[in-house]
Amino acid sequence: GAVVSQHPSRVICKSGTSVKIECRSLDFQATTMFWYRQFPKQSLMLMATSNEGSKATYEQGVEKDKFLINHASLTLSTLTVTSAHPEDSSFYICSAREGGAAKNIQYFGAGTRLSVL
Amino acid sequence: GENVEQHPSTLSVQEGDSAVIKCTYSDSASNYFPWYKQELGKRPQLIIDIRSNVGEKKDQRIAVTLNKTAKHFSLHITETQPEDSAVYFCAASTGGGNKLTFGTGTQLKVEL
Repeated sequence: GAVVSQHPSRVICKSGTSVKIECRSLDFQATTMFWYRQFPKQSLMLMATSNEGSKATYEQGVEKDKFLINHASLTLSTLTVTSAHPEDSSFYICSAREGGAAKNIQYFGAGTRLSVL
Repeated sequence: GENVEQHPSTLSVQEGDSAVIKCTYSDSASNYFPWYKQELGKRPQLIIDIRSNVGEKKDQRIAVTLNKTAKHFSLHITETQPEDSAVYFCAASTGGGNKLTFGTGTQLKVEL
């Protein structure tokens, strides 16, 4: 199956700093990638849809200035958590869609556990 | 928007027994229904999916059924093994960017 790489796997940072998370599709081109947030023992909550070459589409309640998304190429999307605070601590997971809208299979990265002190 | 409900939240079975997890969705326009397995601290892995033009799909010990009229779909695992223990998520795709709406997850435990 398709491989999605996500880095870093774990980040510990001080409050007020910014953290960048990368999501790469290694063996396929992904015009669309997705960013999720997952709290312990809970489901995956979609934060935003990242489209190559255009602005991301954010879900209701997600601050676009807080969670900056850039999808500059067909294999890379980045999520930057700006001025992180303890309440931003969570497990962030990206996914990349293989194929066009008709196929719509999403493959997930291994996730990034963010801890803000 | 789409709402996906999943039951049960926890499921414990004996090794060799079958396990069934059920999901319902709200948007009749949904046309793609994947199931993901997530082990603790790991990425969700796609295990099977079904599209709205079929009613059932099977892959070895795993099967998924879809009832479009009732707007529900189910995951069936037969001859369960300890390595099947994980959290299983159903999801539905409504189009409009093809984003997935996930169910709340089912913690499956297969006991020896």
